[in-house]
Amino acid sequence: EVQLVESGGGLVKPGGSLRLSCAASGFTFSSYSMNWVRQAPGKGLEWVSSISSSSSYIYYADSVKGRFTISRDNAKNSLYLQMNSLRAEDTAVYYCARDEGVVPAALDYWGQGTLVTVSS
Amino acid sequence: AIQMTQSPSSLSASVGDRVTITCRASQGIRNDLGWYQQKPGKAPKLLIYAASSLQSGVPSRFSGSGSGTDFTLTISSLQPEDFATYYCLQDYNYPRTFGGGTKVEIK
Repeated sequence: EVQLVESGGGLVKPGGSLRLSCAASGFTFSSYSMNWVRQAPGKGLEWVSSISSSSSYIYYADSVKGRFTISRDNAKNSLYLQMNSLRAEDTAVYYCARDEGVVPAALDYWGQGTLVTVSS
Repeated sequence: AIQMTQSPSSLSASVGDRVTITCRASQGIRNDLGWYQQKPGKAPKLLIYAASSLQSGVPSRFSGSGSGTDFTLTISSLQPEDFATYYCLQDYNYPRTFGGGTKVEIK
């Protein structure tokens, strides 16, 4: 069974840093691109970042470029999001999601999400 | 960035109704569009990929159509478990962008 489990969320002050993790199981993690998607309280979904299976291709939303860094460790079946210079508007539930990889627009498995709150 | 304009933002419908949600892209995106369902407090769930392909395990009352700039998600006969918020997602290019969402409520 495919499972994605996020961790690392919490309360952080503006300007602070946080590292999110996503532990994957039930599939060959190293074969799939992965994503972070976030959702501010009461708001819609926002794509944050994607990383290809071998980390060769990395993309960011303009809203986080230069502040967030996506990475992965295929040996540990884990995806990460290093978040620096956090702002109040980064407050959201952060989901990791798997790219199906062959067909378009198919984020076929999602984690349960981890809440990040940026507040003084 | 490609803008995805979803409409309506909300709708009220009854069980058994046919429901249609649309998504318009600010430029052509071929068929690189997916539809997602999200219930309160839960992660999104993939319904449709490549604009019209039904994800495994998703009931056949859900269907998608369109190509280029205009796309539609149709629920042929609304069921109680379908009351949720629906989002479209384009991955024609980066940054990927979601539509603003459509909340389907009980009339």
